[in-house]
Amino acid sequence: AQSVTQLDSQVPVFEEAPVELRCNYSSSVSVYLFWYVQYPNQGLQLLLKYLSGSTLVESINGFEAEFNKSQTSFHLRKPSVHISDTAEYFCAVIVTFGVQGAQKLVFGQGTRLTINP
Amino acid sequence: DVKVTQSSRYLVKRTGEKVFLECVQDMDHENMFWYRQDPGLGLRLIYFSYDVKMKEKGDIPEGYSVSREKKERFSLILESASTNQTSMYLCASSLFPGAIYEQYFGPGTRLTVT
Repeated sequence: AQSVTQLDSQVPVFEEAPVELRCNYSSSVSVYLFWYVQYPNQGLQLLLKYLSGSTLVESINGFEAEFNKSQTSFHLRKPSVHISDTAEYFCAVIVTFGVQGAQKLVFGQGTRLTINP
Repeated sequence: DVKVTQSSRYLVKRTGEKVFLECVQDMDHENMFWYRQDPGLGLRLIYFSYDVKMKEKGDIPEGYSVSREKKERFSLILESASTNQTSMYLCASSLFPGAIYEQYFGPGTRLTVT
């Protein structure tokens, strides 16, 4: 079973419009959740993470994500997007494996966010 | 600033060639990772290393090997390149063991095997 699923491969929105990028995780994995962003021609950067505590986490550039245990979701939202938010966004979850309990990040398929002027 | 560099941004190789992808990080990180990124599949872990000379298989190790002789350098080796290994390869590093620690990514190497 897929550990993490991003429901939309592409999301086009107009500048200054709100956006939601959806992410669902398998209930069998840990509840350590991440969003990474990949700007054009760059590597991935951590955008925000949920490890414990408040279910709403925020990034420095206006994105927020809410951990929802009952719906096994960690959707990413921004109330008003800018052209500079154009990027691919990846949801990720920690999976523990092997007899020694090693950890790895498992990434979703990615959502390409395109902002139109 | 943490910096992860990869030896090439673009690489074109022929089927059957031995290919080396190099990754260097400058922040004394313990852990290093190699992923491949394909459209619609996201990132998939090939190999990782928690220490010098130590390596662990990820989800898709077949057709690949790795080498970590020094802490700052982690090499991905394609012993005999095939067309299905055409992809974007991303290297990452993190300070401590455990995936909860932020991974810092290099810019990627786009490999084309013809």
